[in-house]
This record gives sequence, structure tokens and C-alpha cells, in this order.
Amino acid sequence: NAGVTQTPKFRVLKTGQSMTLLCAQDMNHEYMYWYRQDPGMGLRLIHYSVGEGTTAKGEVPDGYNVSRLKKQNFLLGLESAAPSQTSVYFCASSYLETQYFGPGTRLLVL
Amino acid sequence: GESVGLHLPTLSVQEGDNSIINCAYSNSASDYFIWYKQESGKGPQFIIDIRSNMDKRQGQRVTVLLNKTVKHLSLQIAATQPGDSAVYFCAARDSSYKLIFGSGTRLLVRP
Repeated sequence: NAGVTQTPKFRVLKTGQSMTLLCAQDMNHEYMYWYRQDPGMGLRLIHYSVGEGTTAKGEVPDGYNVSRLKKQNFLLGLESAAPSQTSVYFCASSYLETQYFGPGTRLLVL
Repeated sequence: GESVGLHLPTLSVQEGDNSIINCAYSNSASDYFIWYKQESGKGPQFIIDIRSNMDKRQGQRVTVLLNKTVKHLSLQIAATQPGDSAVYFCAARDSSYKLIFGSGTRLLVRP
């Protein structure tokens, strides 16, 4: 099992550009999450999903959109990137409480 | 709002010694707690978890202690090894069943 995978691993964007981060899990988990991690801070929840076709806002949802069209995939979109969105993005999935994380996507917005 | 905090941003220990990393949480209704290890450039890795109906849980070389009276939990690592060097995060499940993460403690293991 690959667990949780994320693509791309690293991306540089210019302000105003858009992009989509892809998260995939092969553990048949119902729940999926997107977090961002900034230096010296813990993980902050952006959006999450409790099942295929459902999404909900987390702690810091502004500037991001998500979609869960298939159970195994959870997409995070940035419609118009801003420098404040420079961060490391982690996806996680869970069956119950224990969340399993992907390797992260490092995003730099210039 | 609900919060989770760690007592020390950095902890330095001698190889072979025991390490203790502390964490405090604010929500007395939190019923599930979890510790993660994050190595440089990698995603958080599950270490151990504990439910609020327990005071202690042991894994391989790790022990988590939960004190609900003072809303405190700790992670103990026995015989710390160089491979234990990483940032350790605690998290507590909030009233809406989401995890609230602390800011992390960096563990440095001196040879």
C-alpha cells in the first residue's frame, strides 16, 4: 500500500495564478483532510471531507476550494494564489480518529 | 477557542537518556489525544494515541501519560536514539471531532 500520496512535491507560483494539489489514498478511508503548516506553527485545518461528495470548512478555508469526487481522491484548489499562501500543505486520511499523513507539497508564491 | 500547546520548543537530550515531551490542552471535553513525529521534509508520522478513559498507554519505547485533572499529556521516549531526532506534535480532538495541533517540540539527540 502506498498510503497517502500527494502531487506535486514542490511548486512555484506567481501571484494570481491558480493550481490544484492532488491527494490520493489507497486505504479506503472515509475521512480526508487538507492542512497547511507554517514555520513555528502547528498544522492548521483548511478543509475536510467526511465522505465522497462532501466537503466542509476548517480553521483557515479562505482562498481555497476543495472537491471529493472520488472516495480515494481529495483535491485542493487555489483560484488566485497570494504570497500568504506560501506554505507546506499536507493531506491526511482516516477511518476513525487516527489520521495518516502524506509527504507534503511545498508551495512558494512569488 | 480551543488550543493545544507544548511547553518547550526545543528539547536536547543525551543519547541513551529518556526524553519527556509535554503538552497542555484547553478543552476539558477532549476525549482523544495523539502524538506525531515529523522528520525534516516529511509528513507527520503516527506514534501513539490515547483515549480519555485511560491514564497511560505504552508502545515500543514510547509511553503516553494523560492527566485530565490538569489537562496535560506527555510523551516519554525510553533510551533515546539519534533516529528519534525530529519535531514532535501532540493533538487533541475537539468538540466537533477535528484534531487541534500544538506547535511542536524539536527533539535534539546529542551523541
